[in-house]
Amino acid sequence: QVQLVQSGTEVKNPGASVKVSCKASGFTFSDYYMHWVRQAPGQGLEWMGWIHPNSRDTKYAPKFQGRVTLTRDTSISTAYMELNRLTSDDTAVYYCARDPPTALTLDYWGQGTLVAVSS
Amino acid sequence: DIVMTQSPLSLPVTPGEPASISCRSSQSLLQGNENTYLDWYLQKPGQSPQLLISLASTRASGVPDRFSGNGSGTDFTLKISRVEAEDVGVYYCMQALQPPWTFGQGTKVEIK
Repeated sequence: QVQLVQSGTEVKNPGASVKVSCKASGFTFSDYYMHWVRQAPGQGLEWMGWIHPNSRDTKYAPKFQGRVTLTRDTSISTAYMELNRLTSDDTAVYYCARDPPTALTLDYWGQGTLVAVSS
Repeated sequence: DIVMTQSPLSLPVTPGEPASISCRSSQSLLQGNENTYLDWYLQKPGQSPQLLISLASTRASGVPDRFSGNGSGTDFTLKISRVEAEDVGVYYCMQALQPPWTFGQGTKVEIK
């Protein structure tokens, strides 16, 4: 069965960086775009960006451009999201989600990773 | 950016009764007279979002047929024919026509 298993809770100081992983199984990872979406406490969903199956092409929401980097390692079926220069506003649950070929939708989601930014 | 606006933001429902949520986009989500890139997601309490409907009206695998989506252009509706207790949570519409993909504010559905 399809699974996206994310890394655990992170607690960071302001100004630091965080890197969250998303381990895929149950499908051909190299066929799918992978997206990242975040949700601040008590708030709605916010799309951050995607990474192409070829691992070279990415698209970021303007809000995060220059501060976020999406990568993937097809050899271990894992996607990564790195966010730099953290502030308290980055405290949120971060989700990875897969996007089937030619679909433009998010059909499976990871369980989420809480990133807490506090001094 | 395409702005997505949902209504209502809160929806008390009675089990067995129908329910409806509206979503409006700031521009048409129709691409080239073919697909309309509007999805519906449900986030149950304490869980990750789950896909209900894609392309405005296509139910995702395993989604009960009491859920239906319709609409075109800029106006869309998610309908639940007979609400069940397990349907509580926050419903989001999302556009995937152009990046950045954007979500509606969410509609919280709860049992009366």
